[in-house]
Amino acid sequence: EPEVTQTPSHQVTQMGQEVILRCVPISNHLYFYWYRQILGQKVEFLVSFYNNEISEKSEIFDDQFSVERPDGSNFTLKIRSTKLEDSAMYFCAKAGENTGELFFGEGSRLTVL
Amino acid sequence: RKEVEQDPGPFNVPEGATVAFNCTYSNSASQSFFWYRQDCRKEPKLLMSVYSSGNEDGRFTAQLNRASQYISLLIRDSKLSDSATYLCAVNIGNNDMRFGAGTRLTVKP
Repeated sequence: EPEVTQTPSHQVTQMGQEVILRCVPISNHLYFYWYRQILGQKVEFLVSFYNNEISEKSEIFDDQFSVERPDGSNFTLKIRSTKLEDSAMYFCAKAGENTGELFFGEGSRLTVL
Repeated sequence: RKEVEQDPGPFNVPEGATVAFNCTYSNSASQSFFWYRQDCRKEPKLLMSVYSSGNEDGRFTAQLNRASQYISLLIRDSKLSDSATYLCAVNIGNNDMRFGAGTRLTVKP
């Protein structure tokens, strides 16, 4: 059983639409991450979130992206106006007990048409 | 220079073979190092941490050379189930993990 649950597993959307991807950690941790992986390419860091605030973000994480932890449990990634190039797998991850370890959810596949 | 570089492969080896993967990283301040395994269309899964003294977990041995900024993974007696993409990962600080593009391994009967 994964330590992080992500929904939806697959979302198809039209270009320009807003998308919200959700992540629910099984246990209570403070550090969370979003990564994306375009098909056939490497896993890319988007943002880290610590204690309900953004800790680090990459150059990919522009104004179209936002993260929230609206109810203290779910952890969401919002893409405001999707572009074709946003099509990718989006992985939520939580930090492990040892420094630097990450445990990933099963991912949400986003397809932008 | 890419932050984390790996030979993309593919490596095609017979069962029982020994195979080695290499990885280099550019940020000398990197703090911790890992190998992840990723099956097709699945999430990356932590395989093992990499320590300066080298570490072994069954058939898997990981080595780190900080001076050369180089990490390796050795798989002995490879099995069909070892077929996957192996990702080198480097924690550059503040739990910011950067991944290599991965090395694809196919173990054949």
